[in-house]
Amino acid sequence: KAGVTQTPRYLIKTRGQQVTLSCSPISGHRSVSWYQQTPGQGLQFLFEYFSETQRNKGNFPGRFSGRQFSNSRSEMNVSTLELGDSALYLCASSLEYGGSSYEQYFGPGTRLTVT
Amino acid sequence: QKEVEQDPGPLSVPEGAIVSLNCTYSNSAFQYFMWYRQYSRKGPELLMYTYSSGNKEDGRFTAQVDKSSKYISLFIRDSQPSDSATYLCAMSMNSGNTPLVFGKGTRLSVIA
Repeated sequence: KAGVTQTPRYLIKTRGQQVTLSCSPISGHRSVSWYQQTPGQGLQFLFEYFSETQRNKGNFPGRFSGRQFSNSRSEMNVSTLELGDSALYLCASSLEYGGSSYEQYFGPGTRLTVT
Repeated sequence: QKEVEQDPGPLSVPEGAIVSLNCTYSNSAFQYFMWYRQYSRKGPELLMYTYSSGNKEDGRFTAQVDKSSKYISLFIRDSQPSDSATYLCAMSMNSGNTPLVFGKGTRLSVIA
């Protein structure tokens, strides 16, 4: 079974631009979570989607948004990029939302560099 | 105080050693505990998953949870150079509707 895939793997953007990252979960998984990983803050939860609805949101500004499609694929968008947004963005999928969903499987991440 | 504390290391051990990795937490509502391994330039990989207190063993890996002390551990027996990675603990509450909270990770190097 194929794992979680994320595209693109690497991205360089300029301050003020916006960016869209994509995540395809493991086949059959319906919940997708997004995390930001930086050396200083570690892994921080951004949001979780299940059945095309945002179920949880972390403590990030409104510049960070996401959505989920009917095939469970998800995208996240960051508008008005800041230098501090440079990070590894990780997507994780799990079978369901809640209950057994704690077994989350991560993709390889998208490395975003903002200059 | 952060919800989950984890010594960042780095931790360097000789091949074949027993490795002990630990996390402490402050939120007594955490019920689900996980350990992830992350190689450089890769996403975290789920290693162990336990519910509530007790031990769980999988091959060379043993996870322990002591809820009374708010302390979890991962033991690696007969460590190998391929175990060199960053190990992240993660935990979540019982409600089923809360996200994972991660430690910052411990970087482990196993020297051949």
